[in-house]
Amino acid sequence: GDSVTQMEGPVTLSEEAFLTINCTYTATGYPSLFWYVQYPGEGLQLLLKATKADDKGSNKGFEATYRKETTSFHLEKGSVQVSDSAVYFCALLNFGNEKLTFGTGTRLTIIP
Amino acid sequence: DAGVIQSPRHEVTEMGQEVTLRCKLISGHNSLFWYRQTMMRGLELLIYFNNNVPIDDSGMPEDRFSAKMPNASFSTLKIQPSEPRDSAVYFCASSQGLAGGSGELFFGEGSRLTVL
Repeated sequence: GDSVTQMEGPVTLSEEAFLTINCTYTATGYPSLFWYVQYPGEGLQLLLKATKADDKGSNKGFEATYRKETTSFHLEKGSVQVSDSAVYFCALLNFGNEKLTFGTGTRLTIIP
Repeated sequence: DAGVIQSPRHEVTEMGQEVTLRCKLISGHNSLFWYRQTMMRGLELLIYFNNNVPIDDSGMPEDRFSAKMPNASFSTLKIQPSEPRDSAVYFCASSQGLAGGSGELFFGEGSRLTVL
C-alpha cells in the first residue's frame, strides 16, 4: 500500500538557518504530493503541493520538488523564522483515491 | 467564508460518559473526514464520508465509536462509553472531493478530549 516516511523530529534550528525536512514515499502509479503544516493549537493546513514529476511546489518561502527517481519530496526553506515553528506533515494522494496518506509529522522549533 | 467549525473545543469528561463531537463543513464541500491525533499514534483517519455516505470506517477503533452525517453540512462523532485511552485531539476536515487530485483538506481547529 501507499506510505510516506518523514525524517524523525524534533528539529530545532536558529532563526535564519537553512531548513530541510526529508520525505520519501512508496506508492503505485503517479501520486500527487503535499506538505501540510500545523501551527500550535490549530488544525492542519495545506502548505504546498506538486502533482507530477519534476514539479516544484512553493509557498511562504518553502519549496519542495517532486523527484520520481528518488521517490522524494523534501521540504526546504532558505531562512527560517520563529513563526515557522510548527509540525510539518508530508502526504500523498493517488489519483482516484479519496484519502490522503500522511507521514508521522516533524516538529520544527525555531529559536531566536 | 467560514471554515470548518468544530465544537466543543475542549471537553473533559469521566470514564463511561457519552461524548459527542460536532462538525460543520464548509459550504459546497461534499467530503468529510474525522481524524484523531495523539502523541503516541500521530494522526489517524477514523472515517470519511462522501455525499453523506460513509465510505471507509476501517479506522474507527471499536464499536464504542460511531459517526453520522444527518445532512450535507453537519457531522457528529460519538463515543459511548468513553475511556481514558480515547483522550486525544479530534479533527474534522472537509473537501470538495479528493479524487480529482487537488489534495486540499480544510481542517477545523480540533476538539481536545480528556477522559478522566
